[in-house]
Amino acid sequence: AQSVTQLDSHVSVSEGTPVLLRCNYSSSYSPSLFWYVQHPNKGLQLLLKYTSAATLVKGINGFEAEFKKSETSFHLTKPSAHMSDAAEYYCVVSSSGTYKYIFGTGTRLKVLA
Amino acid sequence: GAVVSQHPSRVICKSGTSVKIECRSLDFQATTMFWYRQFPKKSLMLMATSNEGSKATYEQGVEKDKFLINHASLTLSTLTVTSAHPEDSSFYICSARRRKTGEETQYFGPGTRLLVL
Repeated sequence: AQSVTQLDSHVSVSEGTPVLLRCNYSSSYSPSLFWYVQHPNKGLQLLLKYTSAATLVKGINGFEAEFKKSETSFHLTKPSAHMSDAAEYYCVVSSSGTYKYIFGTGTRLKVLA
Repeated sequence: GAVVSQHPSRVICKSGTSVKIECRSLDFQATTMFWYRQFPKKSLMLMATSNEGSKATYEQGVEKDKFLINHASLTLSTLTVTSAHPEDSSFYICSARRRKTGEETQYFGPGTRLLVL
């Protein structure tokens, strides 16, 4: 069975400092992994995805994530936080064969001025 | 590309009435559409998977007679909440997967806020 664990429910950073949102996965197969962002009362926007190509994945808005098989991790980073980054972030693994998504519980990012 | 719309964005209805929510893929054909429900400050809960031209597959615990899903074309799926009750009030989000072999990415709509009085 596949699963995703987001290690922090809340993360606070100051504007201009680095962001690290942690995600660990469990999968019997080579997984497809995604990060989505959700602003209040909005749908989910795809930030980036890993589908067994390059292990360092660059996404939109300066975000990137590195797939580390040995650590079963797919942490999301950004060098410098902006106020507009404040939102809920979801790490997702796609279930092999069914295309269903398995969601992490989410990490709320707060950016302090 | 890969834009998904939902209509309406918010709806208020009386208890006992039915409400239809539309999900459209605007610039691509969607083999599969998914319907989710999201409670406040919670992650998304998958309700059902909808494939064009076939019956929807519901997740365990989701009443198929209450949440009717129709996927009439490759760009449109509808969710009808029948005989709505206040406990059905929630944020409903759809997503669509492109008609492309091996494509796993889901593109999400902006969501529909349902309030049942």
